[in-house]
Amino acid sequence: RKEVEQDPGPFNVPEGATVAFNCTYSNSASQSFFWYRQDCRKEPKLLMSVYSSGNEDGRFTAQLNRASQYISLLIRDSKLSDSATYLCVVNTGGFKTIFGAGTRLFVKA
Amino acid sequence: EAGVVQSPRYKIIEKKQPVAFWCNPISGHNTLYWYLQNLGQGPELLIRYENEEAVDDSQLPKDRFSAERLKGVDSTLKIQPAELGDSAVYLCASSRAGYNEQFFGPGTRLTVL
Repeated sequence: RKEVEQDPGPFNVPEGATVAFNCTYSNSASQSFFWYRQDCRKEPKLLMSVYSSGNEDGRFTAQLNRASQYISLLIRDSKLSDSATYLCVVNTGGFKTIFGAGTRLFVKA
Repeated sequence: EAGVVQSPRYKIIEKKQPVAFWCNPISGHNTLYWYLQNLGQGPELLIRYENEEAVDDSQLPKDRFSAERLKGVDSTLKIQPAELGDSAVYLCASSRAGYNEQFFGPGTRLTVL
């Protein structure tokens, strides 16, 4: 079993749709969590951190469920520019960082 | 502020040849990471430096891969000899001491023929 697992997708959604991604992690001692975005043939960039209380940044909402060991990312009112791969990232302590394989999103006009 | 710089951007070599990648992190970032990313996968950590010390190299295939970060700034990753399976994108990232956010360079796309 991989330490961080994501649904690879692809998710194909129309503009304006709401889409949600989940990510599960196996190490219960994991300490911090992030979502990164990676455009085709580009480098990953931090989208948002994920806090226990949940956090929101505009159209993006991230949630953490420590009991079930998963994090989620919700995108509301999808835009064409949201098309990318979304990487779930888990730090297991001591800055040991593990990336998921990513979920691909295509937003269509 | 300049981002993470990597060179070369692309490299094509024949198997069994050596290859080296260079990374210059963001100024003031003490932590430097080298990742390998295969198509359709997330980045996989090869080695992490805190200043000039390699603090996590457990995933570095030491029979053919080596890395150095002299003076705790620039870093070089070397493969000798390269194998067909080494074809991938090699990403360098850096972060401030005590901060989790990593800033990535554009990567070096390696093709081994």
